[in-house]
Amino acid sequence: DQQVKQNSPSLSVQEGRISILNCDYTNSMFDYFLWYKKYPAEGPTFLISISSIKDKNEDGRFTVFLNKSAKHLSLHIVPSQPGDSAVYFCAASAASGNTPLVFGKGTRLSVIA
Amino acid sequence: KAGVTQTPRYLIKTRGQQVTLSCSPISGHRSVSWYQQTPGQGLQFLFEYFSETQRNKGNFPGRFSGRQFSNSRSEMNVSTLELGDSALYLCASSLAGQGSYNEQFFGPGTRLTVL
Repeated sequence: DQQVKQNSPSLSVQEGRISILNCDYTNSMFDYFLWYKKYPAEGPTFLISISSIKDKNEDGRFTVFLNKSAKHLSLHIVPSQPGDSAVYFCAASAASGNTPLVFGKGTRLSVIA
Repeated sequence: KAGVTQTPRYLIKTRGQQVTLSCSPISGHRSVSWYQQTPGQGLQFLFEYFSETQRNKGNFPGRFSGRQFSNSRSEMNVSTLELGDSALYLCASSLAGQGSYNEQFFGPGTRLTVL
């Protein structure tokens, strides 16, 4: 049973446009969500996080939106740059319950110049 | 501050052998978690160690084991290797561990190939 789902395996976006990566979760106990970026031959790098008490968190070009009622979160990258081309993983945990992070399978973003 | 380091970076073994992977966390981090990444499967949680104690365990067979030392360095061992164990093994460290509002920092991973 996949508790964190990234339904789009890949996404292509033109440089300068907005990239929107989506993530759905099923476990209503999840209250902490993170996005990681991964380049080939490197470990994932933390991008941005959001706790369930917020519905939006922004850091430079990256914004994460959380819709608790829909159990859905999204990562917006504006403007997209070629260096953003990577695999993006969504992760969630029930931080108050001492449970490990659960990762989605990732979305490969390609930003075309 | 130095990041998470993993050794070796690449490893080739044959079926039936055993392997030990090593992870050094960021200085001051007491939690080390291990993940397996295979193509199309995302990151599958193996186990977490915190202050030398296994605190969480994922759904992997007993051939996968680990330990943590007093300096927070961790090792992961896989015995009786199978072809399906070929994967990227990632180690992540964090200050307060899984189940707390803090991010994990990943190492570059060890690419294990089982022939």
